[in-house]
Amino acid sequence: AQSVAQPEDQVNVAEGNPLTVKCTYSVSGNPYLFWYVQYPNRGLQFLLKYITGDNLVKGSYGFEAEFNKSQTSFHLKKPSALVSDSALYFCAVRDQAGTALIFGKGTTLSVSS
Amino acid sequence: GAGVSQSPRYKVTKRGQDVALRCDPISGHVSLYWYRQALGQGPEFLTYFNYEAQQDKSGLPNDRFSAERPEGSISTLTIQRTEQRDSAMYRCASSLRAGQGRNSPLHFGNGTRLTVT
Repeated sequence: AQSVAQPEDQVNVAEGNPLTVKCTYSVSGNPYLFWYVQYPNRGLQFLLKYITGDNLVKGSYGFEAEFNKSQTSFHLKKPSALVSDSALYFCAVRDQAGTALIFGKGTTLSVSS
Repeated sequence: GAGVSQSPRYKVTKRGQDVALRCDPISGHVSLYWYRQALGQGPEFLTYFNYEAQQDKSGLPNDRFSAERPEGSISTLTIQRTEQRDSAMYRCASSLRAGQGRNSPLHFGNGTRLTVT
């Protein structure tokens, strides 16, 4: 069965500093990996995805994520955090059977000015 | 509209009543998904459709929950004899392609907040 773990409930960073939000996954075969962001009282918004190819994936709003097959990880990163990046971030995985997208429990990112 | 539309935005109902939650996906999107999200948790898969066919309903908690998408567009999630534990945010999402389009991202609506009193 597929699963996703986001080990941190909250990540705090200062504006301008780099940020990392961690995600590890478990899936049969090759994974399809996604990051979504949720702002208060809003739906989830797609940030980026990894399917195949380069291990470093670039997405919206300057975010990127690094796929590491040996560590089964897909950490979300940004070189310089903005206060407006403060939100709830979800990692998600789908296996090659391509049914449901399974989400982690989410990590709250708080960027202070 | 440009995005996935869900209605009502908020629903308060008494225990034992039936509720119907509506989802209008992005025009032309083949796949439609229902998720439930408890406070402080990630979305939990309930069921999904390709066109009008329900492909997977393994996430529906029990037989009080059902969903349909009769014409391959709008979908309704129905909860019969609601219980307090059904209180949650119910989110609908759609994606452009089914099958081989497994890398298609999901586009989520703003959800329906269901409160059962």
